[in-house]
Amino acid sequence: SAVISQKPSRDICQRGTSLTIQCQVDSQVTMMFWYRQQPGQSLTLIATANQGSEATYESGFVIDKFPISRPNLTFSTLTVSNMSPEDSSIYLCSGHRGPETQYFGPGTRLLVL
Amino acid sequence: QKEVEQNSGPLSVPEGAIASLNCTYSDRVSQSFFWYRQYSGKSPELIMSIYSNGDKEDGRFTAQLNKASQYVSLLIRDSQPSDSATYLCAVIAGGTSYGKLTFGQGTILTVHP
Repeated sequence: SAVISQKPSRDICQRGTSLTIQCQVDSQVTMMFWYRQQPGQSLTLIATANQGSEATYESGFVIDKFPISRPNLTFSTLTVSNMSPEDSSIYLCSGHRGPETQYFGPGTRLLVL
Repeated sequence: QKEVEQNSGPLSVPEGAIASLNCTYSDRVSQSFFWYRQYSGKSPELIMSIYSNGDKEDGRFTAQLNKASQYVSLLIRDSQPSDSATYLCAVIAGGTSYGKLTFGQGTILTVHP
């Protein structure tokens, strides 16, 4: 399985600030994604991180709020901008390498005060 | 109607029993189906993937897919207390949804000694 790391693993932030989460995959993957898991909920896809181009966002998520970069095949960042308490969630990146493999990073636990 | 729906939990089974987890999906062109296990405070861990109608076995786990009924299930034989977790069903639709996982709400499984 692919090894996926994320940092920070957790953070406590003040409302109105921004946090950038980094995701590193140990091997080349075809696709990288960012998900959100709100407290007590399942995972929801935020966007597909496209290498060298703008991310593709799902309904309800916008670039101004969640800018994403993917400068190469194995690295991506997600920024949570102008945070509010409603952004308190776990943010997970995943790497997809063919039809049978999609693995998740350990997640970043974000609490916004 | 939810796109991916799992049987309501929580589900409690005695140690050594068979745990049966069920999932239905609404998109008929869905092509790939996954079961993830998520322990409290951890990220989802891929258990099984299945693409063709029928059964797929891996150790104590068996995934069953019936595309005509839009139904996928996970059986856990000889359940152990360590199997206690939230089980997430995830689906990748066809077409332009390549790699994008849509998750069910999860079923909490408790295996009691």
